[in-house]
Amino acid sequence: QQPVQSPQAVILREGEDAVINCSSSKALYSVHWYRQKHGEAPVFLMILLKGGEQKGHEKISASFNEKKQQSSLYLTASQLSYSGTYFCGTEKVTGGTSYGKLTFGQGTILTVHP
Amino acid sequence: DAGVTQSPTHLIKTRGQHVTLRCSPISGHKSVSWYQQVLGQGPQFIFQYYEKEERGRGNFPDRFSARQFPNYSSELNVNALLLGDSALYLCASSLVVEDMGTDTQYFGPGTRLTVL
Repeated sequence: QQPVQSPQAVILREGEDAVINCSSSKALYSVHWYRQKHGEAPVFLMILLKGGEQKGHEKISASFNEKKQQSSLYLTASQLSYSGTYFCGTEKVTGGTSYGKLTFGQGTILTVHP
Repeated sequence: DAGVTQSPTHLIKTRGQHVTLRCSPISGHKSVSWYQQVLGQGPQFIFQYYEKEERGRGNFPDRFSARQFPNYSSELNVNALLLGDSALYLCASSLVVEDMGTDTQYFGPGTRLTVL
């Protein structure tokens, strides 16, 4: 039931791009992306709703493929500040709403070197 | 504006003891969710409260309980602590806009619980 993230870890040089994937075996209503730095709280990046929507946040964007039940997070021209662990949190399609109940993946560790 | 606050920051307990963790949501937010994050893993959902009522419960034993107060702050209680309860406990608050179907959750800094 837990979404699967890939890759587990990625190492970049400043300016390089990366893609992080989040796949679920369940029909999803939404995907939430967070970044967490060591010893800190997860920081919200963006939400994607079912419908194949693509969103952007500075040089970070994401897409949601409803047919594949997969979301991808795109980081372009990476900066040192992008380092951290990225989590996707998913909400299943249910009869009602499921406010506040996210099922998180195991995380992808991103390291950006100068 | 103040974000989500949690107290205490760190806590050390011994097996069998009881612990109470506290959370204050962002002003205006009526929903609070609790998550447990074990080192190296993603957060795992424990409870969600909205307007002082439990709206969701994760796969945790009855030793875990929570409540939400009229001011929307919340407490998470864990009885009969086990070594495996050692984790970072995160609180998240959200505004809840009806008919949106989903909502942005904002996390607090967490309480680091160590059970010896």
